Amino acid sequence: QMQLQESGPGLVRPSETLSLTCTVSGASATSYYWTWIRQTPGKGLEWIGYIYHGDTTTYNPSLKSRVAMSVDTSTNQFSLRLRSVTAADTAVYYCARLLLHSRMDVWGTGTTVIVSS
Amino acid sequence: DIQMTQSPSSLSASVGDRVTITCRASQGISNSVAWYQQKPGKAPKLLLYDASRLESGVPSRFSGRGSGTDYTLTISSLQPEDFATYYCQQYYNTPPFTFGPGTTVDI
Repeated sequence: QMQLQESGPGLVRPSETLSLTCTVSGASATSYYWTWIRQTPGKGLEWIGYIYHGDTTTYNPSLKSRVAMSVDTSTNQFSLRLRSVTAADTAVYYCARLLLHSRMDVWGTGTTVIVSS
Repeated sequence: DIQMTQSPSSLSASVGDRVTITCRASQGISNSVAWYQQKPGKAPKLLLYDASRLESGVPSRFSGRGSGTDYTLTISSLQPEDFATYYCQQYYNTPPFTFGPGTTVDI
């Protein structure tokens, strides 16, 4: 059974880079589309981007200039990097599988990231 | 971007009630809509996709329908475990994938 688990710092300083990792179990990180979503009380659920085949990415145009995703085949993980964060990036971040470029059918448990000095 | 709206934003219901939540897209999305259930402190859970296809393991009291810009999620007989927030999501025109603002179903 496929499982996903996010990990990373819970506190990031403004202007720095948010880095999160999603560990994939029960599947290969080079298979499927893998995606990141964040959730805030104000903006709700916001899709950040996806990566597939280990190296092809598509990002939300609203975040594209600050986002990068990658896959580490040695650890079977995929990761999110969001540069130049502000308080507006404070959110619960989820990783998920994006099945057939449509629905998100397997989700991690989520990790809270607070941007604050 | 395709904007998704939901109505109502919240509703109160009782166990056994039939509940219907509406999702409207800013343009036609050709049944490319998924529905999720989220409970407090938990990740969203996929319920339906392609507007009406039930995800494996989801109870048959959940159903979906619609066309064009308007879609509905119906719970035929509300159970205690169904009190949650429900979101729709479109995948017709991406990027970006976009979600509705959610509908909270409470007692």
